Amino acid sequence: AQSVTQPDIHITVSEGASLELRCNYSYGATPYLFWYVQSPGQGLQLLLKYFSGDTLVQGIKGFEAEFKRSQSSFNLRKPSVHWSDAAEYFCAVEEGDSSYKLIFGSGTRLLVRP
Amino acid sequence: EPEVTQTPSHQVTQMGQEVILRCVPISNHLYFYWYRQILGQKVEFLVSFYNNEISEKSEIFDDQFSVERPDGSNFTLKIRSTKLEDSAMYFCASSDWGGSPLHFGNGTRLTVT
Repeated sequence: AQSVTQPDIHITVSEGASLELRCNYSYGATPYLFWYVQSPGQGLQLLLKYFSGDTLVQGIKGFEAEFKRSQSSFNLRKPSVHWSDAAEYFCAVEEGDSSYKLIFGSGTRLLVRP
Repeated sequence: EPEVTQTPSHQVTQMGQEVILRCVPISNHLYFYWYRQILGQKVEFLVSFYNNEISEKSEIFDDQFSVERPDGSNFTLKIRSTKLEDSAMYFCASSDWGGSPLHFGNGTRLTVT
C-alpha cells in the first residue's frame, strides 16, 4: 500500500528565512503528489500538485516543490517565509485505484518566529 | 471560486446518538469523499463515492457509518450510534474527474461526550 512520510513534526523558522518541508512517499508507479496547508480551524487548501512533466512545480503563496524519483521525495520549499505561513502542511499521494483517494502524511507544523 | 460547504461547523452529541454530517460539494464535481482527523493525528480516508455508490471504504468505515447523496447537491455522512472515539474533525471533499485535486470543506468538529 502507498504511504507518505513527513519526518519533521514541527519546524520553526524566522520570518524571511527559507523553508524546506520534507516528504517521502512509497508508491510503485509514477505518483500523483500534492501538498495541502491547514490553518487553525480551517480546511485543507491545495498548495500545489505534481502529475507529470516538469519535476519542479509552482504553487500558490510562493511555494514550490520538487519531485525526485530517485529519492522518492517531494519536498516543499519557499525562499522567504511570512508570518502568515504558520500552519500545518500535509503531503499526500493519490492511490492509483478507482477511487482516486489521497493518502496523507502525518503533517508538519510550521512555526514562524518574528 | 466555488467551495465545498460543510454544516454544522461543530456538533456535540452524546454517546450512542445518531449524527448526520452534511456537505455540499462543488456543483459539477463527480467524486465525493469523507476524511477524518482525530486531534493531533493525520488525515484519514473514510470513504469515496462515485456514480451514486461507494467506490471504496476504509477499515474505519464500519457498519455504523453510511453515506448518502439524497439529491443533486448534498452528500451526507451518518454515524448511527456514536462512540467516544468518533470524536474528530470530519472533512468532506470533492473532485471533478478521477485524479484531479480534491477540494476540501472546512470540516465539522464532532465531539462525542
